[in-house]
Amino acid sequence: GDSVTQMEGPVTLSEEAFLTINCTYTATGYPSLFWYVQYPGEGLQLLLKATKADDKGSNKGFEATYRKETTSFHLEKGSVQVSDSAVYFCALSVGGSQGNLIFGKGTKLSVKP
Amino acid sequence: DAGITQSPRHKVTETGTPVTLRCHQTENHRYMYWYRQDPGHGLRLIHYSYGVKDTDKGEVSDGYSVSRSKTEDFLLTLESATSSQTSVYFCAITDRAYTGELFFGEGSRLTVL
Repeated sequence: GDSVTQMEGPVTLSEEAFLTINCTYTATGYPSLFWYVQYPGEGLQLLLKATKADDKGSNKGFEATYRKETTSFHLEKGSVQVSDSAVYFCALSVGGSQGNLIFGKGTKLSVKP
Repeated sequence: DAGITQSPRHKVTETGTPVTLRCHQTENHRYMYWYRQDPGHGLRLIHYSYGVKDTDKGEVSDGYSVSRSKTEDFLLTLESATSSQTSVYFCAITDRAYTGELFFGEGSRLTVL
């Protein structure tokens, strides 16, 4: 079945460090791919998305490129801030009308000043 | 921010008791979802609704039932709570399910003793 695999955390970085969180997927069909972020004590919110191969999603300095050949959607940011500390979830949607998402297990990021 | 309210936000109950969690939205979105979040599992879909009185099962629906008698309310019921249902429950909504862009509530933390 369809699934998402993320790198396990926690990830601890110093402020201004480069961030990569790996995400790979397995899907039949042509999924859309997402990164959601969960700040402490809050619900998830959409960070960025890509709907087809080679698309790049970006938001708040974060980027991810939909790589069909490697079935990957890695999240990157060039210079993290303390305020980026959160749990990041990779997810996929295989389309259809119901909007169901399949989530990875989440990666906790802690950024230290 | 999407208007989603979950209640109660925290609940402690005993094994065998019934529990109902409520999700209330003010956005008039058609689609509503219940997810549970557990360490090492990410988010998993319990049930979803695609309209008033239209619901369907998700990945982990055993032991849960739902009802949607009004557009704005989606209720999740545990008929007889078990310790394995200790979790954080998130409601999500969208009016464009095909996009995969969901708006999440702040979560309800349930502890079953």
